Amino acid sequence: DIQMTQSPSTLSASLGDRVTLTCRASQSISSWLAWYQQKPGQAPNLLIYKASTLESGVPSRFSGSESGTEFTLTISSLRPEDSATYYCQQYNSFPYTFGQGTKLEIK
Amino acid sequence: QVQLQESGPGLVKPSETLSLTCTVSGGYINNNNYYWGWIRQPPGKGLEWIGNIYYTGSTAYNPSLKSRVTISVDTSKNQFSLRVSSVAATDTAVYYCARMHGDVTFDYWGQGTLVTVST
Repeated sequence: DIQMTQSPSTLSASLGDRVTLTCRASQSISSWLAWYQQKPGQAPNLLIYKASTLESGVPSRFSGSESGTEFTLTISSLRPEDSATYYCQQYNSFPYTFGQGTKLEIK
Repeated sequence: QVQLQESGPGLVKPSETLSLTCTVSGGYINNNNYYWGWIRQPPGKGLEWIGNIYYTGSTAYNPSLKSRVTISVDTSKNQFSLRVSSVAATDTAVYYCARMHGDVTFDYWGQGTLVTVST
């Protein structure tokens, strides 16, 4: 199985901050990487697919990038509604696997 | 706008079989652009992919669960289903159904349903 490792596990940041979350794959997954946002009691919401493509309707302050097997999700200017847990997921090969999540808190 | 809705018992006894159904509305399950999947999340923990199905009945399962999992599709009802046999407390989780679209992965999700395994 491909292991997805996210860092940090928790992150506390202030409104307006630029925030970067990282996800590392244990082997090559090409660009088959997605990012989800999950708020308590809700289903995950797709933000980014194919490493850097913004899903329709997602605010442009979210962006994704890749370098080899390391992927990043960047929020350019943190807003209150961005408080959530963020998961990465590889869909390069079965079994699809998720990272353990990064919990983003607003100071 | 496509919508997915999980349904099934919220409580299952250990060693019995968990059965859930996902009803798709606002779109056809036999659209050849999509796969349909199940994902679960134990309370307070992360996400685990269970498996996918295509409208033809072709399936892919997570090896960690493969011996106990069956996913099936009923195109006449626009539904797909999940069965997990011989459940234990570790199968307690919120179970989500979702649509997978080609390069996009899981773009639409159901709201999720909590299944508790307990006597």
